[in-house]
Amino acid sequence: AQSVAQPEDQVNVAEGNPLTVKCTYSVSGNPYLFWYVQYPNRGLQFLLKYITGDNLVKGSYGFEAEFNKSQTSFHLKKPSALVSDSALYFCAVRDGMTTDSWGKLQFGAGTQVVVTP
Amino acid sequence: GAVVSQHPSWVICKSGTSVKIECRSLDFQATTMFWYRQFPKQSLMLMATSNEGSKATYEQGVEKDKFLINHASLTLSTLTVTSAHPEDSSFYICSAPRAGRQTEQFFGPGTRLTVL
Repeated sequence: AQSVAQPEDQVNVAEGNPLTVKCTYSVSGNPYLFWYVQYPNRGLQFLLKYITGDNLVKGSYGFEAEFNKSQTSFHLKKPSALVSDSALYFCAVRDGMTTDSWGKLQFGAGTQVVVTP
Repeated sequence: GAVVSQHPSWVICKSGTSVKIECRSLDFQATTMFWYRQFPKQSLMLMATSNEGSKATYEQGVEKDKFLINHASLTLSTLTVTSAHPEDSSFYICSAPRAGRQTEQFFGPGTRLTVL
């Protein structure tokens, strides 16, 4: 079984300040981890993924995430937030051992990010 | 980057009618596409996997006779909500992985369905 938790429904940050969106996961095997962003009435846009390799993953729009196996976390970070970063962010996990369809990602509930000018 | 489109972007229909939603991969071929449903302020739930040239694979609890999926070509999958009811109102999103890049899905912009 696989699960993912985003403990914060909403994160508020002032423009220019660091942004962190938290994600923890649970899988049986090795995790494949993803971050997506969704703007209102839009589909999801891929930000970054961790499959294997370096624990620090750099993605689109200046975002990065750090895979921490001991804490089973994959927090999303951006050093300096922009107002345009205001959106809904989803963490997703897939058990690397599963033979399920690649569409069968387990998505978190989402975290609304609000960046104020 | 790869682009996936959906049509229509929104649709309002009367209860009892059927609605077809199209999902197209615009610049790549997709032998597999995925259909998700998203309720307001909630996460995405995988409904089914659409397979080109074969039957779709439905997730547990999804009625295959109600949500008809057809993967007519390598760039087109359709989801038909038959005999729609107000509880079918939702945001439907499709996605497709580029061949050889299964770890990265490209999502469509979604279709907002409202059943009156």
